[in-house]
Amino acid sequence: QVQLVQSGAEVKKPGASVKISCKASGYNVASNYMHWVRQAPGKGPEWMGKINPGIGSTTYSQKFQGRISMTRDTATTTVYMELSSLTSDDTAVYYCAREYCTATTCYNGNLDYWGQGSLLTVSS
Amino acid sequence: SYELTQPPSVSVSPGQTARITCSGDALPKKYAYWYHQKSGQAPALVMYEDNKRPSGIPERLSGSSSGTVATLTISGAQVDDEGDYYCYSTDITGNEWVFGGGTKLTVL
Repeated sequence: QVQLVQSGAEVKKPGASVKISCKASGYNVASNYMHWVRQAPGKGPEWMGKINPGIGSTTYSQKFQGRISMTRDTATTTVYMELSSLTSDDTAVYYCAREYCTATTCYNGNLDYWGQGSLLTVSS
Repeated sequence: SYELTQPPSVSVSPGQTARITCSGDALPKKYAYWYHQKSGQAPALVMYEDNKRPSGIPERLSGSSSGTVATLTISGAQVDDEGDYYCYSTDITGNEWVFGGGTKLTVL
């Protein structure tokens, strides 16, 4: 069965960086884009970007350009999201989410499996 | 930046029909997706490409889109339908995905 297992909660100081992992299993990880979505307390979800785990190409939201990086390790089927220059506004639950694909088509807005979420708290 | 606009809340009695709208300038050319989120859980897809139901989603949920407005309709609303609903779509370039602000559905 498809599983996305994320790393645990983090506490960081303003100005620091964080790297969150998402280990995927139960499917051909190279075949589906992985998206990152965050949700601040009491707010709606916010799309951050996506990575093609097969070739490593990325697309980032303009909001995070310059301080976000998504990478992958094909050997361990793990994708990573690193966010730098943290502020208190980055306090949120961060999710990885798989984009649904059939054998021939990928549905960009169809995020069918989600990780359990990783809570990031940024505080001095 | 691109925005999708939803009403903050919708309230219906059990068995009634709930309609949740989502307004965005690119919707005439881009599909809308709908996610349902219950407290403490990740969002779950309930409608894709305007009007297609994922496996396991009941027929009483339906979607439509006309012009700049997409609509999620829940017929015969049940208490289990409560939660936050978010529309999700992309700007005209297709590169920037955006969630709407969310609509809290109350069934009581």
